[in-house]
Amino acid sequence: NAGVTQTPKFRILKIGQSMTLQCTQDMNHNYMYWYRQDPGMGLKLIYYSVGAGITDKGEVPNGYNVSRSTTEDFPLRLELAAPSQTSVYFCASSYSTGFVSYEQYFGPGTRLTVT
Amino acid sequence: AQTVTQSQPEMSVQEAETVTLSCTYDTSESNYYLFWYKQPPSRQMILVIRQEAYKQQNATENRFSVNFQKAAKSFSLKISDSQLGDTAMYFCAFNNNDMRFGAGTRLTVKP
Repeated sequence: NAGVTQTPKFRILKIGQSMTLQCTQDMNHNYMYWYRQDPGMGLKLIYYSVGAGITDKGEVPNGYNVSRSTTEDFPLRLELAAPSQTSVYFCASSYSTGFVSYEQYFGPGTRLTVT
Repeated sequence: AQTVTQSQPEMSVQEAETVTLSCTYDTSESNYYLFWYKQPPSRQMILVIRQEAYKQQNATENRFSVNFQKAAKSFSLKISDSQLGDTAMYFCAFNNNDMRFGAGTRLTVKP
C-alpha cells in the first residue's frame, strides 16, 4: 500500500493563477480531508469528505474547492491564487463508521508559494 | 465550534527523563476522539496515541501515555524515558467528524 499520496511536492504560483493539488489513497478509507499548515502553526481543516459525492466545509474553506468523484481521489482546487494561500497543504484519510472515528493517515504534504 | 489549546509553545527535556505536554479543548459534544500527533522535521504527521472519550481508561502506547480528564476537558501527553528521536512538534487534535488541531508544542530532547 502506498497510503496517501500527494502531487506535486512543491509548487510556485503567481497571483491570480489556478491549480489543482492531487490526493489519492489506496486504503479504501471513506473519509478524506484537506488541511493547510502555516509556518509555526497547527493544521487547519479546509474541506472534508465522508464519501464519494459528499463534501463539506471545514474551518478555512474560502478560496478553495473540492470534489470527490471516487473513493480514492480528493483533489483540491485553488482558483485565483493569493499570497495568503502560501502554506503547506496536507491531505489525509481515515475510516469512520459514524460511531467510531479512527486515526487519520497523512500524505507527505505540498509546499505552495504564491508570489 | 470546537477549539484545542496547547499552552506550551516550546519545551525541552533531558534524554531519559519524563516530560508532559498539555492540551485542553472546548466542546459541547459528549462523544469524540482525541489524538496526539508528532511532526518531525520531515513534516510527516505521525499518530502517537488515540483516546476515545467514552473510555475512562487512559490510553498508553509504550513510552507514551495520556491523562484524560473529560470533565476538565484536558488531554495531556506524558513521554517517559525521552529519546533524541522524540524531538518534534507535537499536536493535540480533537475529532468529531470536524478535526481540529492545537497550535503545537515544539519538544526538544537534549543529550
